[in-house]
Amino acid sequence: QKEVEQNSGPLSVPEGAIASLNCTYSDRGSQSFFWYRQYSGKSPELIMSIYSNGDKEDGRFTAQLNKASQYVSLLIRDSQPSDSATYLCAVNGIRDDKIIFGKGTRLHILP
Amino acid sequence: NAGVMQNPRHLVRRRGQEARLRCSPVKGHSHVYWYRQLPEEGLKFMVYLQKENIIDESGMPKERFSAEFPKEGPSILRIQQVVRGDSAAYFCASSPLGTGEYEQYFGPGTRLTVT
Repeated sequence: QKEVEQNSGPLSVPEGAIASLNCTYSDRGSQSFFWYRQYSGKSPELIMSIYSNGDKEDGRFTAQLNKASQYVSLLIRDSQPSDSATYLCAVNGIRDDKIIFGKGTRLHILP
Repeated sequence: NAGVMQNPRHLVRRRGQEARLRCSPVKGHSHVYWYRQLPEEGLKFMVYLQKENIIDESGMPKERFSAEFPKEGPSILRIQQVVRGDSAAYFCASSPLGTGEYEQYFGPGTRLTVT
C-alpha cells in the first residue's frame, strides 16, 4: 500500500521566518513529487514539482528531495500571512498515473 | 488559457436523488481524475479516465457511483440515490499526455450537500 505521510500540524511560524514542511513516502519507485497549497474552502493549487534529488527553487519556495531517505520537503522563506493554508504533498510512481496525496499540513503564519 | 472547469459549483440534493457533476479539463489535456474531500480530511482518489476509457476506478464505491469521459464533452461523475454521507467537495483534475508529465491541475470543485 503506497502511503504519503505528513504531520497534520498546525505548524505556527512567525511572519518573516522560514516555514519547513516535511513529507515521507513509502514507494521506492516513486519518481514525481508535488506540493500543493489549499486555502480553506478552495481547490488545491500546484506550487512546486520536483523529479530529481536535490533542491529546486522558485521564488520564496524551495523543494528538497532525497530519494534514498524517501523524504521530500518544502521551505517557504520570508513567510507571509497569505502563506497560511494547508500544504499537500503528492507522490506519483513511474508505472502509475495516479498521484497519492498526503493528508496535508496546516500552516499558520503569525503576524 | 482556460483552466479546469467544473459545474455546478454548489449542488444541493435530497436523499435518493441523483447528482451529476461535470468537469472540462484544460484544453489539450486528455487525462481526468476525480477526487473526494470530506471536511478536515485529505483528498481521496476516486477514478482516473482518459477519453472513452476508465483507466483506474479503484477508489470509486462499487454502488451508486459511475464516471465517464466521452469523446466529446465534459467528464461526468454521477451519483445515484444520494445519501447524507455523499456530502463532500468533489474535485476534478486534469493532466497532459506525456511521459513524466504527471502534474495535475485542479478545478474549483463541486460542493455537494445532501439534505
